[in-house]
Amino acid sequence: QVQLVQSGSELKKPGASVRVSCKASGYTFTSHAINWVRQAPGQGLEWMGGINTNSGNPTYAQGFTGRLVFSFDTSVRTAYLQINSLKPEDTAVYYCARVYSGYDSSHKYRYYYMDVWGNGTAVTVSS
Amino acid sequence: SSELTQDPAVSVALGQTVRITCQGDSLRYYYATWYQQKPGQAPTLVYYGRDNRPSGIPDRISGSTSGNTASLTITGAQAEDEADYYCNSRDSSDDRVVFGGGTKLTVL
Repeated sequence: QVQLVQSGSELKKPGASVRVSCKASGYTFTSHAINWVRQAPGQGLEWMGGINTNSGNPTYAQGFTGRLVFSFDTSVRTAYLQINSLKPEDTAVYYCARVYSGYDSSHKYRYYYMDVWGNGTAVTVSS
Repeated sequence: SSELTQDPAVSVALGQTVRITCQGDSLRYYYATWYQQKPGQAPTLVYYGRDNRPSGIPDRISGSTSGNTASLTITGAQAEDEADYYCNSRDSSDDRVVFGGGTKLTVL
């Protein structure tokens, strides 16, 4: 079945970097973009951006001031999230998710959804 | 505005019907997507597109859209429906992905 399996939890000091991995299985890796979403403790979901695994084109959400790097390696079917210059407020659970998007021409509506999510990676930033 | 607005909390008696709403301009162009999240778990897709439920999602969960408001309706709420529910779409002007703030559903 389709699965996204993420790497384990991380404890980092402020100013350090972290890389989270997301290994895909059960589908053609390059057929779907991968989004990254985070959730701070007790808070809602925040979209961080995503990467087109066919073109390699990343899209970064505003507010991260160039600290994010999305990448992937098709040979191991794995997407990566790197966060540089970590801050305590980056403490959160980070999720990867597979993306579907398209257009319903019959009703003239677009659709965009994330149908499979990774298991989450807890990142704690503390001195 | 490209934001999505949800009521923070809603409650429903066991077996009754509850509607969770999501408002935002992007919903005039994009179907809302709905996710369920239980404590300590990753979000799960429960409704998407015009009228679609992933395999395994009970048909007591349904969705609709009117103008700038999308609704997720649970008919005959069960204890296992108690969770946080998030709506999601995409900003029609800059393609930014947006989430609602989430609705905590309590089944009494």
